[in-house]
Amino acid sequence: DVKVTQSSRYLVKRTGEKVFLECVQDMDHENMFWYRQDPGLGLRLIYFSYDVKMKEKGDIPEGYSVSREKKERFSLILESASTNQTSMYLCASVSMRGKLFFGSGTQLSVL
Amino acid sequence: KQEVTQIPAALSVPEGENLVLNCSFTDSAIYNLQWFRQDPGKGLTSLLLIQSSQREQTSGRLNASLDKSSGRSTLYIAASQPGDSATYLCAKGGSYIPTFGRGTSLIVHP
Repeated sequence: DVKVTQSSRYLVKRTGEKVFLECVQDMDHENMFWYRQDPGLGLRLIYFSYDVKMKEKGDIPEGYSVSREKKERFSLILESASTNQTSMYLCASVSMRGKLFFGSGTQLSVL
Repeated sequence: KQEVTQIPAALSVPEGENLVLNCSFTDSAIYNLQWFRQDPGKGLTSLLLIQSSQREQTSGRLNASLDKSSGRSTLYIAASQPGDSATYLCAKGGSYIPTFGRGTSLIVHP
């Protein structure tokens, strides 16, 4: 089955640090997504990418950027981490049939 | 903006009960409907995917149905077990970007 791997399960960073969250999928999917999930707010889309070097803003892109240099890897970058970016971050890719596959999530704490 | 609503938001039942979780959506243009399970602090695990041309899908004790005309999908869990305790989310695929409900938090107590 498809595997979506997020590089870290837990991260603790300090305010102002630049943070990189990595996501790799192994099934040649074109579309990939980054979400954050907060209690009571559900999943919110930060960015998505539909091909290498192609990206689109989601609902809450402020304070984030992304990079997709290779098809299998989609990175989320927090340019200057802030405490309100403490959250669970979820990466997903989608197959041609429209099936979504998620990584195991990264719980980020910004102190 | 298209919306996906899940009712109830939370559910607590004794072991052995048959359950129905609901997912409704406002836009009838649908590509597929996917159900997920999420355990605390973990990612989303896909349970069932129903394409728009299908009416239902089954996996073990789980059955998901899709009624496009009424904008509804239901997830039926038969003979619930404590291990079924988790949050269940549905996602509607209608365009580039899937739309998620906020989930139903299920507790099955022994």
